[in-house]
Amino acid sequence: LAKTTQPISMDSYEGQEVNITCSHNNIATNDYITWYQQFPSQGPRFIIQGYKTKVTNEVASLFIPADRKSSTLSLPRVSLSDTAVYYCLVGVRDMRFGAGTRLTVKP
Amino acid sequence: DAGVTQSPTHLIKTRGQQVTLRCSPISGHKSVSWYQQVLGQGPQFIFQYYEKEERGRGNFPDRFSARQFPNYSSELNVNALLLGDSALYLCASSVARDGSSGANVLTFGAGSRLTVL
Repeated sequence: LAKTTQPISMDSYEGQEVNITCSHNNIATNDYITWYQQFPSQGPRFIIQGYKTKVTNEVASLFIPADRKSSTLSLPRVSLSDTAVYYCLVGVRDMRFGAGTRLTVKP
Repeated sequence: DAGVTQSPTHLIKTRGQQVTLRCSPISGHKSVSWYQQVLGQGPQFIFQYYEKEERGRGNFPDRFSARQFPNYSSELNVNALLLGDSALYLCASSVARDGSSGANVLTFGAGSRLTVL
């Protein structure tokens, strides 16, 4: 199972773009990269998933370089409601969470 | 469409007791995974079940057990409860066991908060 490393915490202000990078040096050929968001006392919620290059949906973008040893979650124009913990997961099954990145968005 | 449902939402037990937590996956999802989340930490993987068989197990003692029923619902049992078992227990369901059609995107329930006194 590929181990992931993310910053423990990040601060931002409303309206700014936030980029959270996850390192996964041991990613396997068939591994996907998936990001989840979690609010206090709730289960994690799927944000975005990708395998290579760039993926964009209505809430975020995911950038994956050619070597796939890292990935960057990009949240455009964050608001106070984006304050949460963000987890990067790598794998195909047995999805295991790390400590995540605690994002705090300030007014 | 109903999401992943878990019961009970909250419960209080004393040390040494046993607890059973229940999970109903999204209709059509055959895989159920269980996680333990202690305050301030990320969810820790306990079990994955697919088609009623255990497909993955995390680093938890044998006091933790689970099973999946023919309708794909699941139960997590914890025996001989310890204070350290106090946590939010999360259940997640997914369509597939493996990455045959993409990675295992998990849909989580709201969790069962267990307090052991």
